[in-house]
Amino acid sequence: EAEVAQSPRYKITEKSQAVAFWCDPISGHATLYWYRQILGQGPELLVQFQDESVVDDSQLPKDRFSAERLKGVDSTLKIQPAELGDSAMYLCASSRGQLKQETQYFGPGTRLLVL
Amino acid sequence: DQQVKQNSPSLSVQEGRISILNCDYTNSMFDYFLWYKKYPAEGPTFLISISSIKDKNEDGRFTVFLNKSAKHLSLHIVPSQPGDSAVYFCAASAGSNQFYFGTGTSLTVIP
Repeated sequence: EAEVAQSPRYKITEKSQAVAFWCDPISGHATLYWYRQILGQGPELLVQFQDESVVDDSQLPKDRFSAERLKGVDSTLKIQPAELGDSAMYLCASSRGQLKQETQYFGPGTRLLVL
Repeated sequence: DQQVKQNSPSLSVQEGRISILNCDYTNSMFDYFLWYKKYPAEGPTFLISISSIKDKNEDGRFTVFLNKSAKHLSLHIVPSQPGDSAVYFCAASAGSNQFYFGTGTSLTVIP
């Protein structure tokens, strides 16, 4: 069964450093999402791509976060500089299309700890 | 402001009994609802959905009930099995594919 791949699974960094997370969606899935899940809370959407285009990045802290999906396949989420409050699980998900009825398939996540 | 709330952080149920997980929402524009299940060290997996035009949707042991007037959603698992032990998230959307998630309820099914 196809899965969403994410790496690294865990990342420890010091504040003010740069970090990057990678996501490879299920093959053929045009829509890709990055979520942040703070401990004890539900996932919160950061950015949504349709192919290589950003559809929604209204919740992305653009002063320090950036995301790209250059060829419309895999995607990278970057934080520079990292802050203590960025410690969270970063989840990537993909779906065939943008309809709300399209199931979003989640990867295992990258757990970030900022010291 | 939390638009989707799961007020019970945890729930324990005996194997074979019914598990009822609850979810409340505040946005009357929400028209599509999901439940996800999450095991440790894994991402959430889709469980069941319901549109606001329905008040019930059933899939095997899982049934979701929607009470629009009360802005309340519940997931029933009957019978509960130890493999159902996980964190359950409800999520809601208002016309788009942007979903707002609750904080999750950790279900433990005791053998």
